[in-house]
Amino acid sequence: DVKVTQSSRYLVKRTGEKVFLECVQDMDHENMFWYRQDPGLGLRLIYFSYDVKMKEKGDIPEGYSVSREKKERFSLILESASTNQTSMYLCASSRTSSNTQYFGPGTRLTVL
Amino acid sequence: AQSVTQPDIHITVSEGASLELRCNYSYGATPYLFWYVQSPGQGLQLLLKYFSGDTLVQGIKGFEAEFKRSQSSFNLRKPSVHWSDAAEYFCAVGGTGSGNTGKLIFGQGTTLQVKP
Repeated sequence: DVKVTQSSRYLVKRTGEKVFLECVQDMDHENMFWYRQDPGLGLRLIYFSYDVKMKEKGDIPEGYSVSREKKERFSLILESASTNQTSMYLCASSRTSSNTQYFGPGTRLTVL
Repeated sequence: AQSVTQPDIHITVSEGASLELRCNYSYGATPYLFWYVQSPGQGLQLLLKYFSGDTLVQGIKGFEAEFKRSQSSFNLRKPSVHWSDAAEYFCAVGGTGSGNTGKLIFGQGTTLQVKP
């Protein structure tokens, strides 16, 4: 069965902290994605990766960076967390041949 | 421009009634089409997808969707709604062929409320 896991379901951080959100998939998918979801704004793509060490900016990359050192793991990094980064963060993965994205359970991040 | 529109932000139906959620898309090539469901505080779960062939596709939990190329629509339907169907529903479109990046474009979502 398809599985995407995220390191935390809930996270509370202070302004200025460096924050790591981890995502792991066990399906050998080439593509991995990070979204943030806010009420009324739907899902917005932050970054995606189509191969190890490869990444591309999505629609809202400012304030974020990513790392993909292994195929199964895709990390989202908030270099200096700010209150406007309080949100639900969703990770997904897909095989290039099908575009079907499978999502993790999400991490609700609160920045105080 | 590529886009997905879900015209209804919020829909309320009575339990046992039929349901139709609308989705219209704008896409330059032959699209892949998806419906996802999200329960409160959870990630998105795939309900069904259309790639090619029969334009009426069946999904999980008794849902179906019909692809109408002439109307650029992919509406989701269920003949009899259950209280557990209350959730947010997202329509999404993705690309096919060369140059496909694997990205999906999502609609804004429709929140379904079910009255007892």
